[in-house]
Amino acid sequence: SYELSQPLSVSVALGQTARITCGGNNIGSKNVHWYQQKPGQAPVLVIYRDKNRPSGIPERFSGSNSENTATLTISRAQAGDEADYYCQVWDTSIGVFGTGTKVTVL
Amino acid sequence: QEELQESGPGLVKASETLSLTCTVSDASIDNYYFNWIRQPAGKGLEWIGRIYYTGSSGSTNFNPSLQSRVTISLDTSKKHLSLKLTSVTAADTAVYYCARGVAGGGFDYWGQGTPVTVSS
Repeated sequence: SYELSQPLSVSVALGQTARITCGGNNIGSKNVHWYQQKPGQAPVLVIYRDKNRPSGIPERFSGSNSENTATLTISRAQAGDEADYYCQVWDTSIGVFGTGTKVTVL
Repeated sequence: QEELQESGPGLVKASETLSLTCTVSDASIDNYYFNWIRQPAGKGLEWIGRIYYTGSSGSTNFNPSLQSRVTISLDTSKKHLSLKLTSVTAADTAVYYCARGVAGGGFDYWGQGTPVTVSS
């Protein structure tokens, strides 16, 4: 089965840039989607198909995907960006989530 | 604005069947994938399965680890998505979400989630 690995945690200073990686075998050949989940809330889609932002998601959120790593970048990090972040792909019609990364804004 | 709302018993006895419903508010359910996803307390997200409805029939896909115990169906007249998970154990205790998706895309709308506890 296909697996996605993410760092357990990422820390970023207020106003700086956070990068969250999602590793998978040849993930560059798949569409990667990213979700933000705050405590007690349902996840929210922040990036779809590698680099596209849904309506209402700030431009500070961006994505890239190449070879074996996809990356979610949060620029000018704000306190409100503190959350868990999950990557997700489809592997032959099976949904697969990454292990999740807790982002802390210092 | 799509809205999804999960409902069902919050407590299920071990070895019995967990049954949940998700009400979909959008006018049309055609050409969308409707998914079930769960999350044990303090842990990550796990995709359970999905149903895709178009015209007069629906097709399903399931997480291989749960496939033997899962049924997902869609009542198009009532716009109710349902999940049945048989022979539950404590490992099935989680918050269960329904979520909408499009082909090749992510899950763009989620329900608020409903917690389910499996008791022994």
